[in-house]
Amino acid sequence: ILNVEQSPQSLHVQEGDSTNFTCSFPSSNFYALHWYRWETAKSPEALFVMTLNGDEKKKGRISATLNTKEGYSYLYIKGSQPEDSATYLCAFHGSSNTGKLIFGQGTTLQVKP
Amino acid sequence: DADVTQTPRNRITKTGKRIMLECSQTKGHDRMYWYRQDPGLGLRLIYYSFDVKDINKGEISDGYSVSRQAQAKFSLSLESAIPNQTALYFCATSDEGRGLGGYTFGSGTRLTVV
Repeated sequence: ILNVEQSPQSLHVQEGDSTNFTCSFPSSNFYALHWYRWETAKSPEALFVMTLNGDEKKKGRISATLNTKEGYSYLYIKGSQPEDSATYLCAFHGSSNTGKLIFGQGTTLQVKP
Repeated sequence: DADVTQTPRNRITKTGKRIMLECSQTKGHDRMYWYRQDPGLGLRLIYYSFDVKDINKGEISDGYSVSRQAQAKFSLSLESAIPNQTALYFCATSDEGRGLGGYTFGSGTRLTVV
């Protein structure tokens, strides 16, 4: 069974703080790593898909890095705002998974004004 | 209209009842998935289908069945609901397996079994 772990499970920060969290995944048979943002009562929405070791992606104040050799990805949020409050999911796409994604348990971020 | 539509949005049912959750999509994707989400456990795969004639069990398929009525429709049934099937259920779609588009999710169905 492939294991995808995210830490921490939850995080409370003040508005303006920068924060980061981790996704660890199997380092073998890697194809892609996906990040999703999931707001309460809505559908998870795609943030990034990353494929290459050393990849860095950025969207506004949110960025992500990828290390496929050691099997981890970091998601960074610079200057957190209350609207960043959500659960952030990572998902591993293995080369033998034929399109199935294996999700971590998520990191729930709460940003206080 | 949403690309992936799940019905109902919320449902309360009694133990032992049969219930069906429906999913339809306008993405034109061949691949469809059913996941359940429980607090602290993340999304776990129940069943998936890569085309109309292809149905596969996921990691937690016991107590569930599915039907792929058409490319656009994939329904999940609980034959005899039990309280530990209380969860948030998501349907998702994707394009072919080597694509990098990831999933498009429905809005979820919150099911409570009492």
